[in-house]
Amino acid sequence: DTAVSQTPKYLVTQMGNDKSIKCEQNLGHDTMYWYKQDSKKFLKIMFSYNNKELIINETVPNRFSPKSPDKAHLNLHINSLELGDSAVYFCASSQDLGSYGYTFGSGTRLTVV
Amino acid sequence: GEDVEQSLFLSVREGDSSVINCTYTDSSSTYLYWYKQEPGAGLQLLTYIFSNMDMKQDQRLTVLLNKKDKHLSLRIADTQTGDSAIYFCAEISGYSTLTFGKGTMLLVSP
Repeated sequence: DTAVSQTPKYLVTQMGNDKSIKCEQNLGHDTMYWYKQDSKKFLKIMFSYNNKELIINETVPNRFSPKSPDKAHLNLHINSLELGDSAVYFCASSQDLGSYGYTFGSGTRLTVV
Repeated sequence: GEDVEQSLFLSVREGDSSVINCTYTDSSSTYLYWYKQEPGAGLQLLTYIFSNMDMKQDQRLTVLLNKKDKHLSLRIADTQTGDSAIYFCAEISGYSTLTFGKGTMLLVSP
């Protein structure tokens, strides 16, 4: 049983397209996150949601829109994809805000050509 | 925002000890973590330490925390080629989110 699962694992798409990455957790956690890992392996928080409510949006372009239909899911939709969006995107969850145990998904490698 | 700094690269021979260092700036950090990322893989939590501890040992791993200097280190005893990976230091405080260092690439040669 995968605790935090992301789909797809790999995504190759052309510039200008719109794409979504899905994340689901079966841990009963209240808080979910999206992190971006760039080509230099730097990991940065993008968004956090607590009980379906947006808590943190870290200066991410408006082309990125997270959606949380329920607290077990946090999807990431990206409009008008650019070359610089190529990265690995990690979903994570924790029991609640301020909780110290994060569980990470295995990542989605997005390549924009 | 708060910063977490690490040296970017470390090379050791198999059987030696590896020491990966990290400094952080947030004095209110509550937990500090070490994550491992193998090539093409996700993030694996190796170990963590609570801020009121000085040391934690877990098999080949020893974590040392100097809270006064805001310095964290990870020592891997008897380093093996399978330990080659990127190691991330991370910290969390209060209701903030987990903040990562830039990662240290450990290369273990036979």
